[in-house]
Amino acid sequence: EVQLVESGGGLVQPGGSLRLSCAASGFTVNTNYMTWVRQAPGKGLEWVSVIYTGGTTYYADSVKGRFTFSRDNSKNTLNLQMNSLRAEDTAVYYCARGPTDETWLFYYMDVWGKGTTVTVSS
Amino acid sequence: EIVMTQSPATLSVSPGERATLSCRASQSVSNNLAWYQQKPGQAPRLLIYAASTRATGIPARFSGSGSGTEFTLTISSLQSEDFAVYYCQQYKNWPPLTFGGGTKVEIK
Repeated sequence: EVQLVESGGGLVQPGGSLRLSCAASGFTVNTNYMTWVRQAPGKGLEWVSVIYTGGTTYYADSVKGRFTFSRDNSKNTLNLQMNSLRAEDTAVYYCARGPTDETWLFYYMDVWGKGTTVTVSS
Repeated sequence: EIVMTQSPATLSVSPGERATLSCRASQSVSNNLAWYQQKPGQAPRLLIYAASTRATGIPARFSGSGSGTEFTLTISSLQSEDFAVYYCQQYKNWPPLTFGGGTKVEIK
């Protein structure tokens, strides 16, 4: 079964750091564009970051320079290092699977984890 | 950045009735549009991609249409499990991927 399981969320003070992880099963994370999407309380979905199969990463302007998306192929996991956290980063963070290199033009997410909650507050 | 706008924000529908949700893009996205369903406390679920293709396991009562800047998600006969929030997402120009603000389908 194809599955994504996020972990690492919690309560952190403004300016602090947190590292989210996403463990994949049923497929290999380096064969897809893997993505983080977040959802602030009571709000809609916001794309955060992507890592391509080749390792290139892109970020939303709102997190650029503060978040780093990485991949551990040996563990089939993804990590999102979040630094200099702000109150507006408070959200549920979802890990999601995007296209393969063959289907790269079709960047929708067909598999989602259940999410992990990040709360930034003093 | 392509801005996606969904309307209405809330749609009140009786079970068994038809629901029509709209999504508008600030510029043409061709047919590079997906729809997701999200129930309270759950992750989004892919319903439709390429504007009109149902994802695996999605019932036929869900249909998508449109191209360019105007898109519609239709639920032909609402079931109790269909009351949820629905989001559209464009994948014509990225990064960033962009989502609409969502339409909540509630019981009338």
